[in-house]
This record gives sequence, structure tokens and C-alpha cells, in this order.
Amino acid sequence: GAVVSQHPSWVICKSGTSVKIECRSLDFQATTMFWYRQFPKQSLMLMATSNEGSKATYEQGVEKDKFLINHASLTLSTLTVTSAHPEDSSFYICSARGGRSGNTIYFGEGSWLTVV
Amino acid sequence: DQQVKQNSPSLSVQEGRISILNCDYTNSMFDYFLWYKKYPAEGPTFLISISSIKDKNEDGRFTVFLNKSAKHLSLHIVPSQPGDSAVYFCAASVGGNTPLVFGKGTRLSVIA
Repeated sequence: GAVVSQHPSWVICKSGTSVKIECRSLDFQATTMFWYRQFPKQSLMLMATSNEGSKATYEQGVEKDKFLINHASLTLSTLTVTSAHPEDSSFYICSARGGRSGNTIYFGEGSWLTVV
Repeated sequence: DQQVKQNSPSLSVQEGRISILNCDYTNSMFDYFLWYKKYPAEGPTFLISISSIKDKNEDGRFTVFLNKSAKHLSLHIVPSQPGDSAVYFCAASVGGNTPLVFGKGTRLSVIA
């Protein structure tokens, strides 16, 4: 199946610093990628839709200035958590539509962010 | 308003028996449904999907059933194995390049 890779898997940062998470589609091109966030024991919440070559579309309640999304190429989208706070600590997951049918959405391994 | 609902937060099944995970949805525009399996601190792994033009799709031990009139789908795993223990998410989309809408997940425990 299609492969989506995220990096880093784990990151610890200090409050006030910025952290960048990368999402790559390894064997297919993705014009659209999606960023989700998951709190413990909760479902995956869509944060934003990342569009190659244009601005991301953010879900209601997600601060676009805090969660910067860049989709510079057909295989790479990045999420930058700016001026991170402890409440930003969460599991961030990206996904992209790919595969033979082009209908299935594949997920990265996820990135666990801890802000101290 | 939750468009995709998994009303059972957890399910325990004995090894070798059938596991049935249920999912209900409210948006009649959904035309593609997927099931994902997720372990803690890992991304979801795609299991099986079904288009709204079908009512059943089978892949090995996994079968998904879709009842459009009831807006209900279910995932059957038979026989269940201890390695199937994970959280299972039901997801739906309206097609095109739209994001998935997820249910809250059901934690399956397969007991040896």
C-alpha cells in the first residue's frame, strides 16, 4: 500500500519555542494532505487541509498563526507549532490520499509532541 | 454534531470468535467508508473500505457491511486473534479530495 512517513516520531521542546513536523508521501504524489491531532483516549480531530502550492484550509477553532502549514511539493507537507505551550502537547498525525484507487487515505506514523 | 458515531467504546472477544464493531453515520452525502486500526502512539493503519454502491466488502478475515438505509456499517473480524487488540476507527468521506470524518473509536480486546 501507499506509504506516508512522518518525522520526528517524538519531540520534546521548551515552552515558547517552535517545532516543525514533516509529512512525506513516499511512493505517490499528494496534492492534498490532512493534519490531525489526537488527545489521549479521544478521536482524531482534523486540524487543517494542506494544499500543494496554496494556503492551507483550517478547521474552525484552529489558530492558523500558531499551526503553520506549508505544502511546498507534491510529496511534502510541514506543520510548524509556533510558540509552543504545554497545552499543545499532543499526538499529531498527517495523512494523504493515495494508493491504486486514489480513494484511500493513508496515515503517517504520528508525531508525539511534549512541550515542557 | 457528530456525523460518525461508534457507540461502543470497548469490546472484549475471545480468541477464535467473531468480533463485530459497529458504526453509525448521519450524513447521507457520505459515499466512502473506511476502517482503521490504531495502536497507541502510532498512526492509524488502513484495514478495509467500502463504497456506497456496495453493501459488502471482504478481505481475508475482515468484512465490512454497509446498510445505507439504516446509515450503519459494521466490521466483522473472524476469527479474532490477540494481535487484533487495538482501537478501531470508522471513517467516512463525501468523496473528492475531502478529509475523513472519524468516529471516536472502539477498543477491541481479544482474549486468549
